Amino acid sequence: DVKVTQSSRYLVKRTGEKVFLECVQDMDHENMFWYRQDPGLGLRLIYFSYDVKMKEKGDIPEGYSVSREKKERFSLILESASTNQTSMYLCASSLGGAGNEKLFFGSGTQLSVL
Amino acid sequence: QKEVEQNSGPLSVPEGAIASLNCTYSDRGSQSFFWYRQYSGKSPELIMSIYSNGDKEDGRFTAQLNKASQYVSLLIRDSQPSDSATYLCALLGGYQKVTFGTGTKLQVIP
Repeated sequence: DVKVTQSSRYLVKRTGEKVFLECVQDMDHENMFWYRQDPGLGLRLIYFSYDVKMKEKGDIPEGYSVSREKKERFSLILESASTNQTSMYLCASSLGGAGNEKLFFGSGTQLSVL
Repeated sequence: QKEVEQNSGPLSVPEGAIASLNCTYSDRGSQSFFWYRQYSGKSPELIMSIYSNGDKEDGRFTAQLNKASQYVSLLIRDSQPSDSATYLCALLGGYQKVTFGTGTKLQVIP
């Protein structure tokens, strides 16, 4: 089974801190994604990557950046955390290609910014 | 207009009934569509994918796609309390980007 591991289940940070959320997948997947999930707003795509060192903005990239130096690892960075970034963050990966679009999700990181 | 639209619900159905979940999308170029199920406190998991117009059946689940009407639906036959969850409609865009709707909460009443 594909395993997508997120480094922390719960995280509490202060406003203005730089925050790193790490995600690692173990199945050599090409594509990796970062979503945030908020009540009533569903899953919103922040950034995604279709190859090492390649990144694309999703629907809500403002205030975030990403890094993919190795194929298995995709990091989400909050340069200066703000209270409106309090949310559940979900990482996902997919093999890619026709018929291989299935997303495998990590268990999520609940981030609270105080 | 949002890229993927769903009624947030909750949709309540009695046990054994058919649950019908609907989704509309705005991009006529979209070709691949998915239904994910998310239990409370858990991550989403894929239950159905559909690429062609018509119906696709998998056990108690049937996905329906109508590209002309830009409409995707999921039918759950013989609904069980264990089907109570939020169902997320999603579509595939460029560069393998997957966009989700806000989800419909389904409650199956015993």
